[in-house]
Amino acid sequence: AQTVTQSQPEMSVQEAETVTLSCTYDTSENNYYLFWYKQPPSRQMILVIRQEAYKQQNATENRFSVNFQKAAKSFSLKISDSQLGDTAMYFCASTLNAGNNRKLIWGLGTSLAVNP
Amino acid sequence: DTGVSQNPRHKITKRGQNVTFRCDPISEHNRLYWYRQTLGQGPEFLTYFQNEAQLEKSRLLSDRFSAERPKGSFSTLEIQRTEQGDSAMYLCASSLAPSAVYEQFFGPGTRLTVL
Repeated sequence: AQTVTQSQPEMSVQEAETVTLSCTYDTSENNYYLFWYKQPPSRQMILVIRQEAYKQQNATENRFSVNFQKAAKSFSLKISDSQLGDTAMYFCASTLNAGNNRKLIWGLGTSLAVNP
Repeated sequence: DTGVSQNPRHKITKRGQNVTFRCDPISEHNRLYWYRQTLGQGPEFLTYFQNEAQLEKSRLLSDRFSAERPKGSFSTLEIQRTEQGDSAMYLCASSLAPSAVYEQFFGPGTRLTVL
């Protein structure tokens, strides 16, 4: 079965510090997409950053960047200069083995608390 | 607001009752997905539409669940004879395909509580 694993149920970081959230996945596919989504408390899921598996360059979006290691099947998220508004559940997701429908397979999430 | 909308946002029902949720996707999006998220878990795929055609259903979607997307616009998810195990957040997402991005945009969800 294709799976996405987030091994850190909870993490905390001080405001302005850097934190890295881990994600690993299992697939035999060669072409797929990886995503990090953020779900603030009682608010909707929003996309943080995406990575196409065929691209070697790591994606970056402002304070958010990924470390994509395709051979190791690892996709970690680094948040720099953490802000209080970054407090949320973070989900790693992928289109692993999704065929043409591009449904997402999700990890269990990491609850991140940014402390003042 | 041109994002994905879902109604109602919260639904409390008694076991055995039928409930129906609605999702309005981003207007030009041809793909629509339903996911279910229980407390402390990541979302799980339920079903997917390309325009009005329902192309895949998860094994999680029992016979009590039915989804439609008439005219390829909004979608409804109906649960018949609700059970306490159906209590969850039901998420709708839409996307545009083909696309170089394949990003799914999510609605705020409908939280179902079955008493």
